[in-house]
Amino acid sequence: DAGVTQSPTHLIKTRGQQVTLRCSPKSGHDTVSWYQQALGQGPQFIFQYYEEEERQRGNFPDRFSGHQFPNYSSELNVNALLLGDSALYLCASSPAGTGELFFGEGSRLTVL
Amino acid sequence: GENVEQHPSTLSVQEGDSAVIKCTYSDSASNYFPWYKQELGKRPQLIIDIRSNVGEKKDQRIAVTLNKTAKHFSLHITETQPEDSAVYFCAAVPGSARQLTFGSGTQLTVLP
Repeated sequence: DAGVTQSPTHLIKTRGQQVTLRCSPKSGHDTVSWYQQALGQGPQFIFQYYEEEERQRGNFPDRFSGHQFPNYSSELNVNALLLGDSALYLCASSPAGTGELFFGEGSRLTVL
Repeated sequence: GENVEQHPSTLSVQEGDSAVIKCTYSDSASNYFPWYKQELGKRPQLIIDIRSNVGEKKDQRIAVTLNKTAKHFSLHITETQPEDSAVYFCAAVPGSARQLTFGSGTQLTVLP
């Protein structure tokens, strides 16, 4: 049983560009959450998807958007990249009715 | 929203000694408190969790205590080993939400 998988693992972009990160949840999990972890800090909640809709959102600008597909996989899109968007982006999935999150290995984004 | 504070930010102990990390939370509706261990360059991994209907939970060398009245919870690691060295994050989940609010992390170093 594969856990949470994310792609790509590393990527480099320049300011102003756009990026799409992808996540496949653990089998049987229907909820996907995205977190941003800057170097030396704890993960910060971006948003959560359930039943293909954004259910909750953290304190992130509209440049951050997402999508969930019928197979529960998800994408995170960031437009107009800023240097401060450089971070590890973590996807986490959870089964219905619990708060237990299982994290993927993350996508490390560097913005130059 | 929920706010989680974590102390200390760094902790060094001798191998075999105990380590204690403390967290406080602000939202009295929070009912799930996981602890994650994150090794350098890796994803956060759940090591133990506790729900608001119990006061203490143990798993071998790791234990977590919860004081709902004071709104704080602690991680206890006994007989520490060098492989326990990592960053530890506490988190809280308010109410029925499935988003985690993380503490700022504790860098634990176990000296051989």
